[in-house]
Order: sequence, then structure tokens, then C-alpha cells
Amino acid sequence: GEDVEQSLFLSVREGDSSVINCTYTDSSSTYLYWYKQEPGAGLQLLTYIFSNMDMKQDQRLTVLLNKKDKHLSLRIADTQTGDSAIYFCAENTGTASKLTFGTGTRLQVTL
Amino acid sequence: GAVVSQHPSWVICKSGTSVKIECRSLDFQATTMFWYRQFPKQSLMLMATSNEGSKATYEQGVEKDKFLINHASLTLSTLTVTSAHPEDSSFYICSARDGIGARSNTEAFFGQGTRLTVV
Repeated sequence: GEDVEQSLFLSVREGDSSVINCTYTDSSSTYLYWYKQEPGAGLQLLTYIFSNMDMKQDQRLTVLLNKKDKHLSLRIADTQTGDSAIYFCAENTGTASKLTFGTGTRLQVTL
Repeated sequence: GAVVSQHPSWVICKSGTSVKIECRSLDFQATTMFWYRQFPKQSLMLMATSNEGSKATYEQGVEKDKFLINHASLTLSTLTVTSAHPEDSSFYICSARDGIGARSNTEAFFGQGTRLTVV
């Protein structure tokens, strides 16, 4: 199966770090992605990680991949109010270049 | 990054009419485009994969006669919702892959989405 699961909601204070988690079931995934969706808008690619990596850092974003446990996480350092959005993880098995999206995590940043 | 433009951003139509949504890749050639549907507070569900110059591949449970997809050029794919009904009201999002560039196997770029309301 290709079920990708995320927790529904996360609330953090401005300036704190946010960690959004994702579990997937398809071990053949070649790439794993994190997308951000603001209200009424499309998806913005934040970052992605190749399956043979276990970590990738890009400015305030850190992606950790535990392939053994099929667990992916996105850490946002120094979270800002502009980071409030829904975050989707997604996997690409590479066979048809299709993306399977997680259920989405709504991040709320409070002052 | 590459730009995908989706039009219209929102549309309201009467039940029984057809609505066409356009998805354009503005600065790259997209041999493959994807159409997704998103219900409120839910994830994106892939409806179909659109390949330039050939028939679209529909996911299980998606009616191909209801959701007509045309990918006539490397920069344009269209989704037509035929004989729309209120249950077709949803947020439709397209995405495109850069079919030629180095990003072809990694990045998919998304349009801003179209909110369809059928009354």
C-alpha cells in the first residue's frame, strides 16, 4: 500500500522549533518531499530528500529520514507566524513519477 | 523555481454545465502533468496523469468521461468537468514536471489551484 500518515495539528510558539512527522509504507520510494500549502493556494515545494540520505538541511529546514522505520520529519527552526500553513509530506516511487501525499499537518504559530 | 499557472482561480457554475480548467507551464516543457482533487481539510487525491500527445491515465474510481483531460502541447493541459454537479465542488490542483531539465525526476511544480463551486 501507499498510505502516508501525518498528525493533524501542531501548535508552536513563535521562535520555537517545529517538528512535523510523517510515516509512509512504500519502501521503494526514491524521493520524499515536504510541501507547504497556505489557505486557498496551491502547493509550494519546501525541500526533498533522496532515499539514500538520512538528513538534509536547508536554511531553517532540516529533514530527517529513517528508512528502516519509514519515518520522515521536517524541523523548522525559529518558527515564524508566516510559517502557519498546512504541511504535506509526499513520496515518489519513481515508477510513474506520481506523488502520494500524506494527510497534512496544520501548523499554527502563536505569539 | 519553475512556474505553473492555473486558470481560473475560482469558478462558480450551474449544475449541468461544463467547466474547463487550464494548467500551463510557463518557463519549462512539461511532458507530464498531474491533476489532483482536494476536499476541505483533506489531502490531495491524484485523479489522473496527463501525458503530452497521448491519452490520460486515470486513477481507480475516477470517471474519465466526467473529467476530460487534454494535453495537446508541452505547456498546456486542460481538465474539463462535464455536466458538473454539486458533489464535484472541490479544489482542483495541477502539477507539472520539467520533462527535459535536470529536475525532471525530482521536482513537481504546482499550480495555485482552482476552487470549483457547483450550484
